[in-house]
Parts: sequence; C-alpha cells; structure tokens
Amino acid sequence: ELVLTQSPGALSLSPGERATLSCRASQSVNSNYLAWYQQKPGQAPRLFIYGTSGRAGGIPDRFSGSGSGTDFTLTISRLEPEDFAVYYCQQYGTSLSNTFGQGTKLEIK
Amino acid sequence: QVQLLQSGAEVKKPGSSVKVSCKVSGGTFNNYGISWVRQAPGQGLEWMGGIIPTFGTAKYAQKFQDRVTITADESASTAYMEIFSLGSEDTAVYYCAKSYTSGLYACDYWGQGTLVTVSS
Repeated sequence: ELVLTQSPGALSLSPGERATLSCRASQSVNSNYLAWYQQKPGQAPRLFIYGTSGRAGGIPDRFSGSGSGTDFTLTISRLEPEDFAVYYCQQYGTSLSNTFGQGTKLEIK
Repeated sequence: QVQLLQSGAEVKKPGSSVKVSCKVSGGTFNNYGISWVRQAPGQGLEWMGGIIPTFGTAKYAQKFQDRVTITADESASTAYMEIFSLGSEDTAVYYCAKSYTSGLYACDYWGQGTLVTVSS
C-alpha cells in the first residue's frame, strides 16, 4: 500500500517568505498523477496542482510543483496572507488507491 | 458552473448504515470520476473510493473494501456512498468530488460536505 509522508507537519513563516512543502512516497509515483490541495477551516479542499506541476484554474503563479519518483515539492514563492492553510498531496489515477498525505499546516509566524 | 450538492447531515446509531448522495449539475457527469473523501474531526483527508458513472464499477481503498458501496445513477447525475456497520470512528465530514478530467483523477469540484455523526 502506498504511503505519502508530508513534511514538515507544520511550518511557521511570515508573509513575503518562501515556503517549501515536501511529499515523499513509499514507492515510486507516476508524476502525471500527483496533486496538491489547499484546505482552509470549515471549507472543502481546493485543487491547486495536478500532474506534479500543472496549476489548476485560478491558481496564482507563485505556486509551483515539482518532483519525480518518490519526492515531490510544493513551493510558494512569496507568501500572501490568504496562503496560510493546510496543504495535502495526493497520488491518484493508477491501480493504487488515491492516497492523501497527512497534510502540512502552514501557519503565520 | 459545476456544482455538487450533497444530502444533509445525519445522526446514526452504532451498527447502522448511512447513504449519502451527491448530485452533479452544470457539467458532464458520465465520464468523469466521482470520489468520496472523508475527514474526521481535526484530522486529515482520507480517500474512500470512487466511481466513473459510465463504467459503473467502483474502486475502493483497501480499508473500505468490505464496508462501503459506491454507486451512480446516470439518469439523475447523482452518485451515492453507503457505509455499513457504523462505529464512532466513522464520525466525519464526507465529501464527494469530481475529477478534473475523464477518469478517477484529482478533483477540482467538491461538494459542501455531509457531517455524519455516529452516537448511541
């Protein structure tokens, strides 16, 4: 069974800083099938990145995704106040289960 | 504008079952996967399973293989998720979500969530 491990569990940064979130898979993942979501309290998740690096509709270009194999990264180049939330990675679309990571909470410092 | 409208909150007794519906409007229903994802209070997201309505066969996470049934009614553009033998650990918000392209892929449209509370 595929396991996605996100790190760090929580990240405290200030607006304007750069954020780097990690997602590590227990086995190699097809990079066409790795997504990132943002979730704010009381809201449904929102798709931000699909296929490792493709930005979903309306997502600003300060968000970028990269990676391959077992290591994937979501980078936010310059944090805005609305970016502070929980981020989840997900593997999908293969014979494996569409697994989520446990999430990284991005907090305002 | 695609919208996913889920059925309302439920309170269930341990050992019973619950069926949650998800009606899709404003977009193509048949070829796009519908996933079901749950979130226990204060916890992360958990993918339960999904279905591509035009194919009719559901795919499940191993954990839910024996206790969850996911179906779809193409004529009603509605997907359903039923979970049996409820326990307190099943108290969660249950979301349906629609894949961004044909298949059971990442989801760009989500329902509002249905809170299921399991309590004696």
